[in-house]
Amino acid sequence: SQQGEEDPQALSIQEGENATMNCSYKTSINNLQWYRQNSGRGLVHLILIRSNEREKHSGRLRVTLDTSKKSSSLLITASRAADTASYFCATDANSNYQLIWGAGTKLIIKP
Amino acid sequence: NAGVTQTPKFRVLKTGQSMTLLCAQDMNHEYMYWYRQDPGMGLRLIHYSVGEGTTAKGEVPDGYNVSRLKKQNFLLGLESAAPSQTSVYFCASSYSMGRTNIQYFGAGTRLSVL
Repeated sequence: SQQGEEDPQALSIQEGENATMNCSYKTSINNLQWYRQNSGRGLVHLILIRSNEREKHSGRLRVTLDTSKKSSSLLITASRAADTASYFCATDANSNYQLIWGAGTKLIIKP
Repeated sequence: NAGVTQTPKFRVLKTGQSMTLLCAQDMNHEYMYWYRQDPGMGLRLIHYSVGEGTTAKGEVPDGYNVSRLKKQNFLLGLESAAPSQTSVYFCASSYSMGRTNIQYFGAGTRLSVL
């Protein structure tokens, strides 16, 4: 069953603008991850945030986590054409072995 | 460093045919996974393995079998393909440090069942 739900399903912005996508989940977690999938390719890990962290940065990526609302957001600043991809959140759902995946947000950056 | 390699990349089958998808990883990871991805959906776990010689069912295991005879390889078999198995299949591997499970993916196998 899908635990993570991304919002919006699709997002189209101009190059240079910031892109924000959200993920909600249902059960308690130890950590939450974000992955990127370019068209026709496999998923690539972007960033992991632990349940005791509220914000984390990696380059132009900023992730926040609100465990009280069971939600996370991924902000991509100063977007580039190369950021065009689908973005997925994944939670551990208290499992050592499995991740629970959302359906993804498709991001299109217009030149 | 190849990472996770999937073969074949594309395949077309007729209903009732069988095939095996091969996944190989060179990162010495303990855990390996097979997912399917359908349009507009996230990844759905088919089977997974937490070590050589062990396998377990995921969310959508029906119609698939797996084997992990060697640590670096994870095979996914379709004994009698059905059109509902038309999908993109991804293999992933990971090691787990406590509750941290970062997965590394292959490029995918695009399967059409006619």
